[in-house]
Amino acid sequence: AQTVTQSQPEMSVQEAETVTLSCTYDTSESNYYLFWYKQPPSRQMILVIRQEAYKQQNATENRFSVNFQKAAKSFSLKISDSQLGDTAMYFCAFMKHVWGAQKLVFGQGTRLTINP
Amino acid sequence: DVKVTQSSRYLVKRTGEKVFLECVQDMDHENMFWYRQDPGLGLRLIYFSYDVKMKEKGDIPEGYSVSREKKERFSLILESASTNQTSMYLCASSSGILYGYTFGSGTRLTVV
Repeated sequence: AQTVTQSQPEMSVQEAETVTLSCTYDTSESNYYLFWYKQPPSRQMILVIRQEAYKQQNATENRFSVNFQKAAKSFSLKISDSQLGDTAMYFCAFMKHVWGAQKLVFGQGTRLTINP
Repeated sequence: DVKVTQSSRYLVKRTGEKVFLECVQDMDHENMFWYRQDPGLGLRLIYFSYDVKMKEKGDIPEGYSVSREKKERFSLILESASTNQTSMYLCASSSGILYGYTFGSGTRLTVV
């Protein structure tokens, strides 16, 4: 079974700093997708970034980028120039195809606080 | 924008009650999911459905059932609520692997 591990329950940085959230996963599959989701205090889960495992190039979305190391099964999220609005729970997730649906497996989450 | 709507934001129920959590999506997605979210455990899949009247167990289905009579609606049922089912419940839908999920805003259920 696939598992996703986020080893940092909480992190805190100052505004404008760069922060990296770590994520490791375990799978025997060769083709899969990885995601980072953000859950602010409003509770609405928001997709931050997506990475296809067959792509070697790391995904980027504005201030958000990933460091995808397929052999190491590592998928970290880097937030540059952090802003107060980045304060949220962040979940790493692995997607696999099963029974006609795409099932997301989530990590435990990292609570990120951006301080003014 | 795709919308996934959960009928209640907060819910308080008594032990032993039958509880219905409703979820509706408006974008004709085939796949719908119910997760529960607990501190330190992340999101865990309870049930999912890839078509009308089709349902599959997720990782923690015990004590729950689901119903999908129409494509847009996916209901989670707690047959006899217990205090260990106090949690945040998140519904999601998806149309394909490239897009991830669209989530509802969650229902925080307290069983007393």
